[in-house]
Amino acid sequence: QKEVEQNSGPLSVPEGAIASLNCTYSDRVSQSFFWYRQYSGKSPELIMSIYSNGDKEDGRFTAQLNKASQYVSLLIRDSQPSDSATYLCAVIFNQGGKLIFGQGTELSVKP
Amino acid sequence: GAVVSQHPSRVICKSGTSVKIECRSLDFQATTMFWYRQFPKQSLMLMATSNEGSKATYEQGVEKDKFLINHASLTLSTLTVTSAHPEDSSFYICSAISSPSYNEQFFGPGTRLTVL
Repeated sequence: QKEVEQNSGPLSVPEGAIASLNCTYSDRVSQSFFWYRQYSGKSPELIMSIYSNGDKEDGRFTAQLNKASQYVSLLIRDSQPSDSATYLCAVIFNQGGKLIFGQGTELSVKP
Repeated sequence: GAVVSQHPSRVICKSGTSVKIECRSLDFQATTMFWYRQFPKQSLMLMATSNEGSKATYEQGVEKDKFLINHASLTLSTLTVTSAHPEDSSFYICSAISSPSYNEQFFGPGTRLTVL
């Protein structure tokens, strides 16, 4: 059973702080990793994709991948109240195949 | 980025009726479309994978005779919930990819189904 695990939260951080979201996955051969943000009542929107070990930065967001530890994380710098949402980690285990989602971490950024 | 639309955005129906949800890729041809269901406070669960011109592949536990999927063209897939029951009330979301070698899925805005 291929699985993606996240802490459900809620994770609460003050405005301006760094929010750190973590995700582990079960299949060592997985190649494609994604972070989605989902606001209540809306569909997911892609924030970051990462395919190789190391860090990938895009604005205030940094994705980190460690395939040896089967771990992927998302850092949000200078957190804003508008970042308050559920963050979904997703993994594709086979090329062109199914996207398996974690249960999501609810982030709350307090003004 | 690529745009995927869904129609309707919200539907309320009586128990026992059928509901059709459309998913369209507006500016690209979708070789594969996916249908997800999301219950409150839960993550997205894949229901089925749909390839243009062929039968959909359903996930374990999803009844193919209840959730009919048709992918008649490269820009349109439909999900029909037959004989809907209150427990089918959920948020249904489709996504699409333009190529099997390209992993990013583009999500539609979702359809909120309420069965009375």
